[in-house]
This record gives sequence, C-alpha cells and structure tokens, in this order.
Amino acid sequence: GDSVTQMEGPVTLSEEAFLTINCTYTATGYPSLFWYVQYPGEGLQLLLKATKADDKGSNKGFEATYRKETTSFHLEKGSVQVSDSAVYFCALSGSGGSNYKLTFGKGTLLTVNP
Amino acid sequence: NAGVTQTPKFRVLKTGQSMTLLCAQDMNHEYMYWYRQDPGMGLRLIHYSVGEGTTAKGEVPDGYNVSRLKKQNFLLGLESAAPSQTSVYFCASSGQRQGTYGYTFGSGTRLTVV
Repeated sequence: GDSVTQMEGPVTLSEEAFLTINCTYTATGYPSLFWYVQYPGEGLQLLLKATKADDKGSNKGFEATYRKETTSFHLEKGSVQVSDSAVYFCALSGSGGSNYKLTFGKGTLLTVNP
Repeated sequence: NAGVTQTPKFRVLKTGQSMTLLCAQDMNHEYMYWYRQDPGMGLRLIHYSVGEGTTAKGEVPDGYNVSRLKKQNFLLGLESAAPSQTSVYFCASSGQRQGTYGYTFGSGTRLTVV
C-alpha cells in the first residue's frame, strides 16, 4: 500500500538558517503530494502541494519539488523564522479509486530559536 | 468562517463511559474523515465517509463507531472508553478534487480517558 517516510525529528535551527525536511514515498500510479503544517494547539493546515512530476509547490517561502525518479518531495526554506516552529507532515493522495484518502508521514517537529 | 468545526475541544472521560464527538463542515464537501494523533505515530485514520449515509473503516477502527446522517456532519462515538483512546482527534473534509486541494482540518478534540 501507499506509505510516506519523513526524516525523524526533532529539528532545531537558529533563525535565518536553511531548512530541509526529507520526505520519500511509496505509491502506485501518480499520487498528489502535500505538506501540511501544525502550529501548537491547532489543526493541520495545507502548506503546499504538487500534483504531477516536476511540479514545484511553494507558499510562505517554503518550497518542495515532486521528484518521481527519486520518489521524493523534500521541504525547503532558505531562511527560517521563529514563527515557523511547528510540526510538518508530508502526505500523499493515491491515484485512481482511492484518491480521496491521504496517507501521512509521522511528522517532523521543527523548533527555531532566536 | 467557513471550515470544519469540532466539538468539544477538550474532554475527560472515565474508563467505560461513552461520548460522541461532533464534526460539522459548511463547504458542501463529499468526504469526511476522523483521525487520531498520538506522539510518534503521526495521524492514523479511524473511519471515513465518502458521502451522506456511508461510512467505512480506516486503519484503526476498533472501539469507535461513526455516523453520517447529514452531509455536513460526521459523528465519532466511543461506546466504552479505554485509556488507550486518550489522544487528540481530528476531523477533516475534502471535496471531489481533494487530490488537488487537499483536506480542511478541524482544530481538534483533546480526549483524556482516566
């Protein structure tokens, strides 16, 4: 079945550092890929998405590129801020009949210190 | 504001008690989901619904029941609560094109079973 593997956290960075959170997936067909963010005490919010190979999703300075050849969707940001401290989830939706279900990674806790 | 509303936000139950968590969405979404979030486990799908009057089991359905009598509401029931059901519960909904737009999440219900 479909699965998502994220780098384990926690990740602790200083403000303005470069961020990479690795995400790889296993799926049949052509899934859509997502990054969700969960701020403390809140639900998950969609951060960015990509629906086909080589697409780049971007939002709030975050980027991720759908790489089918390496089955990856790594999240990057050039300069993190304290306000980026949150848990980040990589997710995929399968193609075909099960495309309404999301499969999530276990999440990566990011803490950014001033 | 449009979105997904969960009630209650917090609850403490004694072992063996029952309760119902309510999820309501006002986006006319077809699909609705219940997840639980536990430390180190990410989000795990409990039950989901692909339309009014339908429900299906997810990854961890044991000990829970659901109903979707109206399109906008999705109820999660615990008939006899157990300490293992201590968790944060999230409801989510999605439209026909969730593969493109992803899910909308509620803000969660923190349940403690003592």
